[in-house]
Amino acid sequence: DAGITQSPRHKVTETGTPVTLRCHQTENHRYMYWYRQDPGHGLRLIHYSYGVKDTDKGEVSDGYSVSRSKTEDFLLTLESATSSQTSVYFCAISEGDYGYTFGSGTRLTVV
Amino acid sequence: GENVEQHPSTLSVQEGDSAVIKCTYSDSASNYFPWYKQELGKGPQLIIDIRSNVGEKKDQRIAVTLNKTAKHFSLHITETQPEDSAVYFCAASNSGGGADGLTFGKGTHLIIQP
Repeated sequence: DAGITQSPRHKVTETGTPVTLRCHQTENHRYMYWYRQDPGHGLRLIHYSYGVKDTDKGEVSDGYSVSRSKTEDFLLTLESATSSQTSVYFCAISEGDYGYTFGSGTRLTVV
Repeated sequence: GENVEQHPSTLSVQEGDSAVIKCTYSDSASNYFPWYKQELGKGPQLIIDIRSNVGEKKDQRIAVTLNKTAKHFSLHITETQPEDSAVYFCAASNSGGGADGLTFGKGTHLIIQP
């Protein structure tokens, strides 16, 4: 997964606490995405960004917010984590030329 | 919005045999169809993609076919090997995957039996 890193790789948090996941890229790609992966649901788009400070909602955006203050960083925030947000979260980058590169994922457990 | 259906959810084949995974999509405006392979504990990796202006594309043992009229596309893996065991996802987009992101199928767990 050269050029894209996610942190942390694993996190356990309590219900009701805020959580921020970070995606960092060194490819200078324009587009960045956050997906969640759950058994039986595949990969579902949460939010995406098409430039600095330009973001939009995806299919499952409720309960999540994002920010992109720099080209290289895309943050996903769970304002008040719930058990339904237990999932594996993937960040992806693209230059819009039809190819995605995914990060290694963050496994989040909300207890 | 786009909806992508993928079948089967699990596919078990003997080593050396061929494997075929099929996907259908709903949005006739979709023009980009990638396939991803995901190994345990890793992120999905692009293995092959096809655009709506071609009907077939090959890369060594992997091929993808597209039928725009029927709105379905398929992944074909020939001479399967143990390292082909993984979860495979199809996806579709009407913006080349850029502006609105990709819509994924729910995945196929491919098992290669020795």
